[in-house]
Amino acid sequence: GAGVSQSPRYKVAKRGQDVALRCDPISGHVSLFWYQQALGQGPEFLTYFQNEAQLDKSGLPSDRFFAERPEGSVSTLKIQRTQQEDSAVYLCASSQRGSNPYNEQFFGPGTRLTVL
Amino acid sequence: AQSVAQPEDQVNVAEGNPLTVKCTYSVSGNPYLFWYVQYPNRGLQFLLKYITGDNLVKGSYGFEAEFNKSQTSFHLKKPSALVSDSALYFCAVREQERAGNMLTFGGGTRLMVKP
Repeated sequence: GAGVSQSPRYKVAKRGQDVALRCDPISGHVSLFWYQQALGQGPEFLTYFQNEAQLDKSGLPSDRFFAERPEGSVSTLKIQRTQQEDSAVYLCASSQRGSNPYNEQFFGPGTRLTVL
Repeated sequence: AQSVAQPEDQVNVAEGNPLTVKCTYSVSGNPYLFWYVQYPNRGLQFLLKYITGDNLVKGSYGFEAEFNKSQTSFHLKKPSALVSDSALYFCAVREQERAGNMLTFGGGTRLMVKP
């Protein structure tokens, strides 16, 4: 496809369950980002990959959050032992070839996670 | 630390009137500035960016933004609003000299354009 895709679009989990969220970036995009968007707020940075290397994970809120991009393309954000405060929309974004920081990021539609 | 403020939660404007959505930022060095729009159940869509050069930046769908370094502002503008412009707008900043490429977003401003 032409854009960033994410799956599933909606996920309901019981508190304590593990979840895995998938992101397919635009083909050839080197940089990939994960953001968390709570209801009524702007997106907040979680983590950043350049190819398969996770260069920044300073935004991950706890050690229950883990992200990987093993082949430098698809990425998975995993949340272990989900808590109610994890309920949010998780956005994935990718940016163009190279790591120029002024390249705009292209966002996927997000995964809305609801933890009961 | 870098930060963005969007002082208005909502902006109401009549169709055909000019619109302004305000954004101010704070960075230690020089900023890269971005505007994104978000429609319901969709991801953020890029509108425009300021990197360097001309302070007036033109973007998609007739939107433009003016970079003002002395006021640390990057307000989004459009000469004539359309009902279809109604959406959630986010301003974002990245400091040029800072390692890492993540964006820091404002809290968003809901634009309501009434017929």
